[in-house]
Amino acid sequence: DAKTTQPTSMDCAEGRAANLPCNHSTISGNEYVYWYRQIHSQGPQYIIHGLKNNETNEMASLIITEDRKSSTLILPHATLRDTAVYYCIVRVAEQRAAGNKLTFGGGTRVLVKP
Amino acid sequence: ETGVTQTPRHLVMGMTNKKSLKCEQHLGHNAMYWYKQSAKKPLELMFVYNFKEQTENNSVPSRFSPECPNSSHLFLHLHTLQPEDSALYLCASSQDSAAGKQFFGPGTRLTVL
Repeated sequence: DAKTTQPTSMDCAEGRAANLPCNHSTISGNEYVYWYRQIHSQGPQYIIHGLKNNETNEMASLIITEDRKSSTLILPHATLRDTAVYYCIVRVAEQRAAGNKLTFGGGTRVLVKP
Repeated sequence: ETGVTQTPRHLVMGMTNKKSLKCEQHLGHNAMYWYKQSAKKPLELMFVYNFKEQTENNSVPSRFSPECPNSSHLFLHLHTLQPEDSALYLCASSQDSAAGKQFFGPGTRLTVL
């Protein structure tokens, strides 16, 4: 799997958009970008994923640069319940492929403040 | 709720005990996973089962023994553990092992004395 680089921590204001960056400069053409988050003492939760195009769902938006070397997860209106560790992961989407494991790094510790 | 349940939620065991962790998924998925999360360390993948077949063993010591009797249930049998095995053990499932959208259970907090 390509490695990802994320800020160790960031603070966000409640009610404002939270923009979480991720660098994946060695990403391959068949690797997707996944975002998960882990709220304290819970299991990780899937947020969103994408290959090339920007994606949006009920939780967040994912913006992938044209060269695919970086991406940004956007939480449109951060709430206190969004305080968590956010993980950016790249992986291939093929069964039994060497790079299809979810490899969690250190993530970004996001603190949403009132 | 994610559709993945784990029991027990907390477990304290001595180094000579034998215990088992149980995971059940109600999502109709075909792949199941065990992860370990030690304090201050990233999640580590331990085992992967796809259609009941073990497809990944991430160099896990033999004192951890997984069992997958069917696609809905996954066990982790523990014996002669060490204090450094104390961690949060997480189970997850996905449609199959190609799917990157995994659903995680709440985890079992294990303490080895």
